[in-house]
Amino acid sequence: KNEVEQSPQNLTAQEGEFITINCSYSVGISALHWLQQHPGGGIVSLFMLSSGKKKHGRLIATINIQEKHSSLHITASHPRDSAVYICAATPNTDKLIFGTGTRLQVFP
Amino acid sequence: GAVVSQHPSRVICKSGTSVKIECRSLDFQATTMFWYRQFPKQSLMLMATSNEGSKATYEQGVEKDKFLINHASLTLSTLTVTSAHPEDSSFYICSARDRYGSSFLNTEAFFGQGTRLTVV
Repeated sequence: KNEVEQSPQNLTAQEGEFITINCSYSVGISALHWLQQHPGGGIVSLFMLSSGKKKHGRLIATINIQEKHSSLHITASHPRDSAVYICAATPNTDKLIFGTGTRLQVFP
Repeated sequence: GAVVSQHPSRVICKSGTSVKIECRSLDFQATTMFWYRQFPKQSLMLMATSNEGSKATYEQGVEKDKFLINHASLTLSTLTVTSAHPEDSSFYICSARDRYGSSFLNTEAFFGQGTRLTVV
């Protein structure tokens, strides 16, 4: 069993839909990262959070430390949101533990 | 946010040749950089941790003589794939974290654009 698990693995949506991607982890962490990987391969850091909720534009990330669970929400989804979304945990080391990613496709 | 620049973005080389990939932190000092490899539709796999001024720490199963890492300055780390073979074809990406105090524990991770290597 992976230490960081994401669901769903694949997700398709119509433009405008509200999207939720889930991440569960089994290790103790100091922070959890949400990353976005575009088709070309480049990776962008979306959020780093250790408690509560963060919002940036149409993106919202939440984390529940007690339940070891985080969610990434996209409101009013758009085709340009199509990408792979990866959650990654920082346990009490320098390394990141990556989830397997969620491939999102948003159709017009 | 901080910027990490990686070059080249794509490279095609002949089997047996060596390829160097550069990773630069443009607006912060990266005392440590991380090198990852990614196969199609798979997650990132950490290859090695590159420390400025000292030898890199390689993950189990990664050949240090094949994947040479040099981190000579606080803003530049290089990965050289030596005597490349077709099985080395992959997507390589670097990451740097802006060290807060003496730990990365609560700092963002910044990634380069990645390098797609094809060995023919």
